[in-house]
Parts: sequence; C-alpha cells; structure tokens
Amino acid sequence: TQLLEQSPQFLSIQEGENLTVYCNSSSVFSSLQWYRQEPGEGPVLLVTVVTGGEVKKLKRLTFQFGDARKDSSLHITAAQPGDTGLYLCAGPTTSGTYKYIFGTGTRLKVLA
Amino acid sequence: NAGVTQTPKFQVLKTGQSMTLQCAQDMNHEYMSWYRQDPGMGLRLIHYSVGAGITDQGEVPNGYNVSRSTTEDFPLRLLSAAPSQTSVYFCASSFRSHSSTGTGELFFGEGSRLTVL
Repeated sequence: TQLLEQSPQFLSIQEGENLTVYCNSSSVFSSLQWYRQEPGEGPVLLVTVVTGGEVKKLKRLTFQFGDARKDSSLHITAAQPGDTGLYLCAGPTTSGTYKYIFGTGTRLKVLA
Repeated sequence: NAGVTQTPKFQVLKTGQSMTLQCAQDMNHEYMSWYRQDPGMGLRLIHYSVGAGITDQGEVPNGYNVSRSTTEDFPLRLLSAAPSQTSVYFCASSFRSHSSTGTGELFFGEGSRLTVL
C-alpha cells in the first residue's frame, strides 16, 4: 500500500519566519502535487512536480521533488498570516489509474 | 463561475438512515471523485468515475454507492449510515486525460459535513 507521510503534523510560527514541510514515501511516484486547504473550503492546487530533482517556485513558496521521486518538500520564506492553512501532498497510485492518494497533511498557523 | 457544487453543506443523520450527497460540476470534466476527510488522515478516496456510466472503487468504498448518469453529476449514497461515516466529504473533478497521469488539477467542492448519531 502506498502511503504519503507528511511532517510536521502541526506548525505554529511567527510572521517572517521560514519553514519547510516534508512529504515522504517508500514508493516512487510519477508526479506529486501540493494543495492548500483553508477552513470550510476544499483543497486548491498549488503546484505539480513531475521530474526527479525538479524545483518550482511560486512567489515565496519553493517546491522540490526528490531525485528518486519518493519525496517532496515545500519551503516557505518569510511566512505571512495568509499562508495559514492545511497543506496536503498528493500523487497518483500505481495500483490503478485515476486513483490519487493524499498525505496526512500539515496544519500551519502563522501568527502576526 | 460555479465549478464544483456540493449539497447539502451540513447534515445530521441517525444510525441506519440513508441519504444522498449531491455533486455537480459545470466544467465538462470526465473525471469525478468522492473523498472523505478525517482528522489526521488526510483525504481518502471513496469512489471515482471516468465518465458517464463508468464508476470504480477507491480506498474506502464500503457503505457507499455511486452512479454516473450524466457528465455533470456524481451523487454519493449512504445506504445505512453508521457513526463511523461521520466525516467531511469532498467531491473533486478534473479532465480525464490529466487524471490518468496524475498531473492535472483536481477541482474540489466546498465539502459536506456529515454527522451520524
């Protein structure tokens, strides 16, 4: 069974600090996605990484796909209160097409 | 700009009752899916569909039924509700070609919070 484990589970930081969230698996993924979910809403896609070693930047957010395509990280520089939310990684399983699995999530709170 | 619409947003059921969660999308997406979200467990796939008349099971299908008679709608039926089905349910859709490679964006509804007493 493929699993995506995220760490840390919870993170509370002050505005302006940097942070990194990790998404790890023992399985190889053809691609990984990162979503952000705010209270009372559904997740919204932030980025998709496809190539091992790939780095993508979205303003203050930097996403990296591991060389072996088993892990990914999300780094936020100078966090702001607007970054508060639940961050989820997700990827397609190898057990069948169209089946996505999601990580356990990292709940981030940025204090002003 | 409706996107993915879920109804109802909140529902309380008694054990043994049945109900249907509705999901509709207006983006002409072939792929639609249902997830449940429980604390500390992320999102788990219940059922999915790659087009009208085609459905398949996800990770946690027991106790749920689906059907897909149109491209737009993908209802989720709880046959006999149990307290273990207390959760927040999300419907998501995307283009089929993107879903098969895992590179397409999943568009989610706002969720339906279900409590089973």
